Amino acid sequence: KQEVTQIPAALSVPEGENLVLNCSFTDSAIYNLQWFRQDPGKGLTSLLLIQSSQREQTSGRLNASLDKSSGRSTLYIAASQPGDSATYLCAAPQGGGSEKLVFGKGTKLTVNP
Amino acid sequence: DTAVSQTPKYLVTQMGNDKSIKCEQNLGHDTMYWYKQDSKKFLKIMFSYNNKELIINETVPNRFSPKSPDKAHLNLHINSLELGDSAVYFCASSFTGGDGYTFGSGTRLTVV
Repeated sequence: KQEVTQIPAALSVPEGENLVLNCSFTDSAIYNLQWFRQDPGKGLTSLLLIQSSQREQTSGRLNASLDKSSGRSTLYIAASQPGDSATYLCAAPQGGGSEKLVFGKGTKLTVNP
Repeated sequence: DTAVSQTPKYLVTQMGNDKSIKCEQNLGHDTMYWYKQDSKKFLKIMFSYNNKELIINETVPNRFSPKSPDKAHLNLHINSLELGDSAVYFCASSFTGGDGYTFGSGTRLTVV
């Protein structure tokens, strides 16, 4: 059974800092891993999708890495801005070919001006 | 706009009522899902349909009944609503084996 853990649960940083959010998963037989952003009272916005054949994906100031062998993914945010404040969710498939996506509990990020 | 759209966005209802939430996607995806986000913000899958066929049915009370009239639509009907059903319900869709999920903006259900 897939379990996804995100550390830290909350993070507060001053504007301009580079930061790393961590995600670990127990079943490494995954075909991809997805990072989402959720603003308060809003839906989920997909940030990055990393296929199992890839080691990282980049979009603007965001870079996500995937290490299946160690069961870890990281989301790197460069030069953080107050607009980056949100909850970041990591999600991995259940495994065994299942389409079920298992979510971590998220990291709540606050970027202070 | 290509998207996953849910209606209604907000739903306030009394205990014991029956209500439905609708979801539509125009992304051409073959799989659709219902997720529940509880008060602690934890997201958990409820159901999944692939080409109108139920493929995932988690441990959900049978007061919850999904229906997929076609692969672009997945509705959720809830009978005899209880206080504990209050949550945000998200619809999502994807291609099998594929390119990640796209989520709708959620339906905030409040049972009073």
